[in-house]
Amino acid sequence: EIVLTQSPGTLSLSPGARATLSCRASQSVSSIYLAWYQQRPGQAPRLLIYGASRRATGIPDRFSGSGSGTDFTLTISSLEPEDFAMYYCHQSGSSPATFGQGTKIDI
Amino acid sequence: QVQLQQWGAGLLKPSETLSLTCAVHGGSFTGYYWTWIRQPPGKGLEWIAEINHSGGANYNPSLTSRLTVSIDTSNSQFSLRLTSVTAADVAVYYCARGHSYSGSLDPWGQGTLVTVSS
Repeated sequence: EIVLTQSPGTLSLSPGARATLSCRASQSVSSIYLAWYQQRPGQAPRLLIYGASRRATGIPDRFSGSGSGTDFTLTISSLEPEDFAMYYCHQSGSSPATFGQGTKIDI
Repeated sequence: QVQLQQWGAGLLKPSETLSLTCAVHGGSFTGYYWTWIRQPPGKGLEWIAEINHSGGANYNPSLTSRLTVSIDTSNSQFSLRLTSVTAADVAVYYCARGHSYSGSLDPWGQGTLVTVSS
């Protein structure tokens, strides 16, 4: 199975700062099948980005995704208070689908 | 918009069978992969299985011997059955809609915490 490794494990930032989250795959992943999710405490994950770079419906444009092959990035251009949460990358191009272990953004 | 509502027993004894059902409200049932994911307390997400409207299913190899997913298109519901549960199966279980063109999961159900204790 494809292993997704996210870094860093924790990102300590202030509101207004720029956040850059990395997701590295153990094998090449088609960009079509790379997604990012946000999970706040006590809530279900929410889709942010699909197809590596396409924002899901209702997602603010401060969220952007990029990358290809084995290296993908989620960028939050200017952190809002509600963005302090856990973020997971996910690949579904190879079965079984897998998730990264997550990056936590905290203050 | 589409909403997923899930239910099932939250407290099981070791060796019992976990059964969860997820109902799809407000959208088409065809053309998607209906998916189960779990999250142990304080840990990350694990993909469990998916099923399409025709009943074609894919399972996580680590669980396949204990796992069955099924679909009821007449009621827009799909279900998960995991036999012989142990403490390792304690998790919040989520259902989600998988998009066939991208594999992304959206929306998700509210989650069900399943605890295993004698």
